[in-house]
Amino acid sequence: DQQVKQNSPSLSVQEGRISILNCDYTNSMFDYFLWYKKYPAEGPTFLISISSIKDKNEDGRFTVFLNKSAKHLSLHIVPSQPGDSAVYFCGAGGTSYGKLTFGQGTILTVHP
Amino acid sequence: GAGVSQSPRYKVTKRGQDVALRCDPISGHVSLYWYRQALGQGPEFLTYFNYEAQQDKSGLPNDRFSAERPEGSISTLTIQRTEQRDSAMYRCASSLAGTGYHEQYFGPGTRLTVT
Repeated sequence: DQQVKQNSPSLSVQEGRISILNCDYTNSMFDYFLWYKKYPAEGPTFLISISSIKDKNEDGRFTVFLNKSAKHLSLHIVPSQPGDSAVYFCGAGGTSYGKLTFGQGTILTVHP
Repeated sequence: GAGVSQSPRYKVTKRGQDVALRCDPISGHVSLYWYRQALGQGPEFLTYFNYEAQQDKSGLPNDRFSAERPEGSISTLTIQRTEQRDSAMYRCASSLAGTGYHEQYFGPGTRLTVT
C-alpha cells in the first residue's frame, strides 16, 4: 500500500518555462511534506517543505502548494533551468513521528 | 560544515556474509535515520534513533537487520547472513530532532551488492 505516490515517472520542460511536479498521499495523519532533489551518484538534497497549517510555501524559484482536502501537493519551479534536471522525490511525515514516507520520484529534464 | 557521511560507499559481499554499514551524522543532530532505496524507487524507511535510543524499527525487513547508535552519534546498520535480495542503496539521514518540522539531511549512501 503506497501511501505517497508520484504518478508521473518523468517530465520534460523547456528552459524558462514552468515545471510542475505532483504528489498524492493517502494517510491523513501526514502533516509535514518535503521535496528533495537528487542528482546521479549523490544523496537526496532537501529542497523545500510545507506544514499542513499552510497551503503554500515559496523559496526563490520553488513553490510548494498543499491541498489537504485533495491530499495533493505540487512543486512549481519557475523559471526552469537546465541545472534543475534531476530526480525529485516527494516525502511526507507526521510531526509526532520521525520517519518520512517517499514517493517513487519524478525525473525532470529541462531542455536548453 | 560537514554533511552526513557514510562508509563504505560501495560494498560487494558474498551471500551468507555479515556486513556493517556506518553512518556519521551532522554534528549536533539528535536524530538519525536509515533508509533503503531500490533502483527507480524512493527511500524506504528502516529505523531511526533519537540520541542513542532506537525509536522505531518497524521498517527493518527481518531479524537479520539490526542497528545501533551506542553513543548517540555514529550509527551502524548490520545485516547478518546477507542474501541477494539485500542488494540496494542504503541511505542514512540526520535531523535536528525527530519530531516537529525538521528536514532530514541525507548522506551519499552505501551501495551494497550481494553476489
